Amino acid sequence: GAVVSQHPSRVICKSGTSVKIECRSLDFQATTMFWYRQFPKQSLMLMATSNEGSKATYEQGVEKDKFLINHASLTLSTLTVTSAHPEDSSFYICSARAGGATDTQYFGPGTRLTVL
Amino acid sequence: KQEVTQIPAALSVPEGENLVLNCSFTDSAIYNLQWFRQDPGKGLTSLLLIQSSQREQTSGRLNASLDKSSGRSTLYIAASQPGDSATYLCAVRFMGAQKLVFGQGTRLTINP
Repeated sequence: GAVVSQHPSRVICKSGTSVKIECRSLDFQATTMFWYRQFPKQSLMLMATSNEGSKATYEQGVEKDKFLINHASLTLSTLTVTSAHPEDSSFYICSARAGGATDTQYFGPGTRLTVL
Repeated sequence: KQEVTQIPAALSVPEGENLVLNCSFTDSAIYNLQWFRQDPGKGLTSLLLIQSSQREQTSGRLNASLDKSSGRSTLYIAASQPGDSATYLCAVRFMGAQKLVFGQGTRLTINP
């Protein structure tokens, strides 16, 4: 199957700093990318959907100024957690889809963010 | 409201058994349904994708069925192995929506 990578896989930072997470589709062009957040023993919570070259669409309750998403190319999307606080500690997973609504959605391996 | 429900939340069976995981969804107007596997601390691995026009998909020991009219899908795992232990997630793309709607998952444990 198609491959989606994330970098870094794990990051620990101090409160108040900003953290950038990269998501890449390695062997296909992703017209749509998704960012999810997952708390322990819970299912995935969609944060935002982005199409290449367009502004991301954020889910209700997700602060767009806090979680900056840039989908600059068909193979790269970034999530920047600005001024991170301990409550932002979580597992962040990106996902990518090549084409239309009937296409398979592939997921990255996730990034574990810990804010001290 | 478009929702996806998975039952049971957790399942523990002896190695070698055949088992069925259930997924139900509230609206029959869907593009497709996808089954994923997630190991602890890892991302999601796509197992099977069933398009709206299909009734089932098979991959190795896995078989997923789709009954849109009743809003149900099942994931059948044959001859279970300890390596099958993971959380299995069902996700539906409802028509008119970009995003997948996930169930809460079934945590499966296969005992040697």
